[in-house]
Amino acid sequence: GAVVSQHPSWVICKSGTSVKIECRSLDFQATTMFWYRQFPKQSLMLMATSNEGSKATYEQGVEKDKFLINHASLTLSTLTVTSAHPEDSSFYICSASFGAEKLFFGSGTQLSVL
Amino acid sequence: DQQVKQNSPSLSVQEGRISILNCDYTNSMFDYFLWYKKYPAEGPTFLISISSIKDKNEDGRFTVFLNKSAKHLSLHIVPSQPGDSAVYFCAASDDAGNNRKLIWGLGTSLAVNP
Repeated sequence: GAVVSQHPSWVICKSGTSVKIECRSLDFQATTMFWYRQFPKQSLMLMATSNEGSKATYEQGVEKDKFLINHASLTLSTLTVTSAHPEDSSFYICSASFGAEKLFFGSGTQLSVL
Repeated sequence: DQQVKQNSPSLSVQEGRISILNCDYTNSMFDYFLWYKKYPAEGPTFLISISSIKDKNEDGRFTVFLNKSAKHLSLHIVPSQPGDSAVYFCAASDDAGNNRKLIWGLGTSLAVNP
């Protein structure tokens, strides 16, 4: 199946710093990428939908100025958590759309903000 | 409010027997349902899906049944194999077009014992 690479797998940072997470589709062109967040004991929640070359669409309750999404090419989308705080500690995962039905997921990034 | 519910956090089955994973939903607008499988340290991978116009979809050892009146779907794995041990997520969408926005359950951890 198609491969989506997400990096880094885990990151620990100090409060107030910014963290960038990369999501790459390795063997296909992804016109749309999705960013999800999962808090402990909760389900995956869609944060935003990113289309190549245009602004991301954020879900209700997700601060676009805090979670900056860039989808500059058909194979790369980045999520930057700006001025991270402990409450941003979560599991972040991206997926890329290939065709009408299937999503291919990265392996996720565990963010811990101290 | 959890729109997609997987009420069993875990399930243990003997190799060769049937595994039945259940999923309930509350939103009658959902028209497409998917099952994803997730191994540790990996992202979810697509397993099987079903449209609301069908009540059954089969793919090899995997069959998904949909009961719209009960707002219930189930994934059957027959025969179960140790390699099926993973977390299984049920997801639903009310977007019949491309780039689906998925609502996820919390997952059920399946252990298939040799």
